[in-house]
Amino acid sequence: GQQVQQSPASLVLQEGENAELQCNFSSTATQLQWFYQSPGGSLVSLLSNPSGTKHTGRLTSTTVTKERRSSLHISSSQTTDSGTYLCAIPRSGSFNKLTFGAGTRLAVCP
Amino acid sequence: EAAVTQSPRNKVAVTGGKVTLSCNQTNNHNNMYWYRQDTGHGLRLIHYSYGAGSTEKGDIPDGYKASRPSQENFSLILELATPSQTSVYFCASGKGLGNQDTQYFGPGTRLLVL
Repeated sequence: GQQVQQSPASLVLQEGENAELQCNFSSTATQLQWFYQSPGGSLVSLLSNPSGTKHTGRLTSTTVTKERRSSLHISSSQTTDSGTYLCAIPRSGSFNKLTFGAGTRLAVCP
Repeated sequence: EAAVTQSPRNKVAVTGGKVTLSCNQTNNHNNMYWYRQDTGHGLRLIHYSYGAGSTEKGDIPDGYKASRPSQENFSLILELATPSQTSVYFCASGKGLGNQDTQYFGPGTRLLVL
């Protein structure tokens, strides 16, 4: 079945450093969504980026559809960025169902 | 951004009891979803709905029923709760734009079945 793999599984940064999170998927995706989940919290949609580059605040997502990969760049990390970042794509043939990656757990230390 | 609320936020139930988790969304989205999140399994889809009156089985529907009485409300029902259903449950909604859809999540319900 369709798979979504995220790397690294975990990442520890000093405040102010940049983070690069990767998402690879096994089939062509017509939509790709990045979520943030705070420790013990809900999922917040960060970006929807099926192709190309999108920016919002300190976040930049670049999706190369034909290479089946997307990245999320977090610039000048802050301690409040700590949490888990998930990517998700619609399933082939059932676009309203999402397949989620296992996530990247980010810890930003002061 | 869509507003999705869930109630209760925390619930303790006894084995064999009935549990109803409620979800409400105020942005007139067609689609609604119920997920559970467990360590080691990530997010798994239980039931979903394309609109009022419709419910569809997701990946792990056994032991759960769903009800969509209106556009705004989507409930998840555990008729006979078991300890294996202890989890965090998330509701989500989406416009239903097919392959361009974006889902918006509620704050989650922590369920403990003793």
